[in-house]
Amino acid sequence: DTGVSQDPRHKITKRGQNVTFRCDPISEHNRLYWYRQTLGQGPEFLTYFQNEAQLEKSRLLSDRFSAERPKGSFSTLEIQRTEQGDSAMYLCASSSIIPGQGARVYEQYFGPGTRLTVT
Amino acid sequence: AQKITQTQPGMFVQEKEAVTLDCTYDTSDQSYGLFWYKQPSSGEMIFLIYQGSYDEQNATEGRYSLNFQKARKSANLVISASQLGDSAMYFCAMRERSQGNLIFGKGTKLSVKP
Repeated sequence: DTGVSQDPRHKITKRGQNVTFRCDPISEHNRLYWYRQTLGQGPEFLTYFQNEAQLEKSRLLSDRFSAERPKGSFSTLEIQRTEQGDSAMYLCASSSIIPGQGARVYEQYFGPGTRLTVT
Repeated sequence: AQKITQTQPGMFVQEKEAVTLDCTYDTSDQSYGLFWYKQPSSGEMIFLIYQGSYDEQNATEGRYSLNFQKARKSANLVISASQLGDSAMYFCAMRERSQGNLIFGKGTKLSVKP
């Protein structure tokens, strides 16, 4: 093992094309998160899943973005009709959450990211 | 309003010395967690240390310790005996119990000088 893996690591695409990224979380983790990081900034939250359910979406996630986690394991993030402003590092993270654990807030483990360049 | 503030864009420290990276936060939740991550030039975010809002003791993990001052809403990271490999971006983050996601600061770039 295996930490969080992401594929591809780099993607160059032309404006207007669609792209899809994949994230494989740590196997026993039931929560999966997507973040976006632009140069010189900290990661910004996009969306997260608990098992296969998408529990929260950021306002950053425009209609052109869609994420799925169909069987509660790996997840995909698709960007349709890419724009130059979509150029960023897309980070995936996973964590475990155990109902009834009270205030314990579990750390998230990040993958290596997918760097998207839109030309 | 910014929820996580890191006021030091860049810091220099001499090898083997200790360094403190500042972080202040803003939340109305009583239950929350504070995290520090390291991001080397390779880009991967590496979890360093966690402090829960109800933890009475400051968290420590090896050379990392978190100076948690709840009343001041600060969660500074202290790295002791700096090493050249500590040169990286460091991000402070918070997760409120009512939210699932982490909220990150803008980061501090630490450079360790030989």
